[in-house]
Amino acid sequence: EAGVAQSPRYKIIEKRQSVAFWCNPISGHATLYWYQQILGQGPKLLIQFQNNGVVDDSQLPKDRFSAERLKGVDSTLKIQPAKLEDSAVYLCASSLASQYGYTFGSGTRLTVV
Amino acid sequence: TQLLEQSPQFLSIQEGENLTVYCNSSSVFSSLQWYRQEPGEGPVLLVTVVTGGEVKKLKRLTFQFGDARKDSSLHITAAQTGDTGLYLCAGNNAGNMLTFGGGTRLMVKP
Repeated sequence: EAGVAQSPRYKIIEKRQSVAFWCNPISGHATLYWYQQILGQGPKLLIQFQNNGVVDDSQLPKDRFSAERLKGVDSTLKIQPAKLEDSAVYLCASSLASQYGYTFGSGTRLTVV
Repeated sequence: TQLLEQSPQFLSIQEGENLTVYCNSSSVFSSLQWYRQEPGEGPVLLVTVVTGGEVKKLKRLTFQFGDARKDSSLHITAAQTGDTGLYLCAGNNAGNMLTFGGGTRLMVKP
């Protein structure tokens, strides 16, 4: 079974620039999550999709972050404009249901300078 | 917001020693999961515990879910250098969403 694919692996941008991350979940997994993991901390949920609908985006900073999951498969997460405090690893995960556990991608490490 | 606190935050031990990591919350969870994360990779699921008081063993790892389903522990027997990593607990609520603790960074020295 192929895992969760994320790209790019690394990204360095200047503050106030925009950036986009891409995620391809495991085939058949209806639920997709984006997490932000700041160095030394546990992952923090940004947004949860069920198919192509948003289930929870209460912790997504909507003034600068946006995410979409067209056709209920791939997803993109965008930051515009980026701030220094956005430097983190952005993890995508998918699951059949949370009791079965999540499968995470390797993440995108974003550095904002 | 449901908060999960893990302790200790950092642990450095010698190979062959035993250790226990704790995960505590004031909230009740329908299930709790433990993940292990290596540098540059995403977390990988180790175990899911569902029933209060449940104990699960995975080779040298023993996981316990508290009777009240608010806390959990991970015990590693005879640690090996390959056990080095970040250990994360995550609680599942009725909304099908996982809340992660801050993690315990374990280093096992040869």
